[in-house]
Amino acid sequence: ETGVTQTPRHLVMGMTNKKSLKCEQHLGHNAMYWYKQSAKKPLELMFVYNFKEQTENNSVPSRFSPECPNSSHLFLHLHTLQPEDSALYLCASSQDIEGIHSNQPQHFGDGTRLSIL
Amino acid sequence: TQLLKQSPQFLSIQEGENLTVYCNSSSVFSSLQWYRQEPGEGPVLLVTVVTGGEVKKLKRLTFQFGDARKDSSLHITAAQPGDTGLYLCAGGSGNTGKLIFGQGTTLQVKP
Repeated sequence: ETGVTQTPRHLVMGMTNKKSLKCEQHLGHNAMYWYKQSAKKPLELMFVYNFKEQTENNSVPSRFSPECPNSSHLFLHLHTLQPEDSALYLCASSQDIEGIHSNQPQHFGDGTRLSIL
Repeated sequence: TQLLKQSPQFLSIQEGENLTVYCNSSSVFSSLQWYRQEPGEGPVLLVTVVTGGEVKKLKRLTFQFGDARKDSSLHITAAQPGDTGLYLCAGGSGNTGKLIFGQGTTLQVKP
């Protein structure tokens, strides 16, 4: 039990489908993150939310749309994805992103394995 | 652009051997974290180092942060099959919460 739960664990979708990834953290954290992990590439930060406000969009294409309704939940809405978007999508949380807490660890979920047909 | 380069990218050794994984950058980081990721799971934090020259030990794992806070190393003594996994270093800078990850080192320890 990592404290960060992601659903679904696996998702196969066509390029024209619309789907959403869900992340929930039970750690009382205020910051949440989306990462993309592709084979043989470093983990890529996609989005950062701090106290429900987006603080970072790492030049992510608009076919990925994040939503953070509260500090415990984070969604990634997917629409018209491309085959190169197939990857493991990881959600993480941390206490917050600022000040003396900036060196705190990020707690990761186990990811959603996404395959685009 | 801050980059972290890990080496080696892949390492296959026999149980009982020692190994060192390196994480290098031309940029200065405020902290350096090491994570381990097993198949089908997310990364799990092993250690955070924040002071130049800092050395931390976690059982058979020894982590060091370079004096200039640009590089780090992970040394495993007497590796065991349970050490098998993907080791990731990640550098933090400032108060943005952003972590820059290396591409990882896949370690396989054979019994």
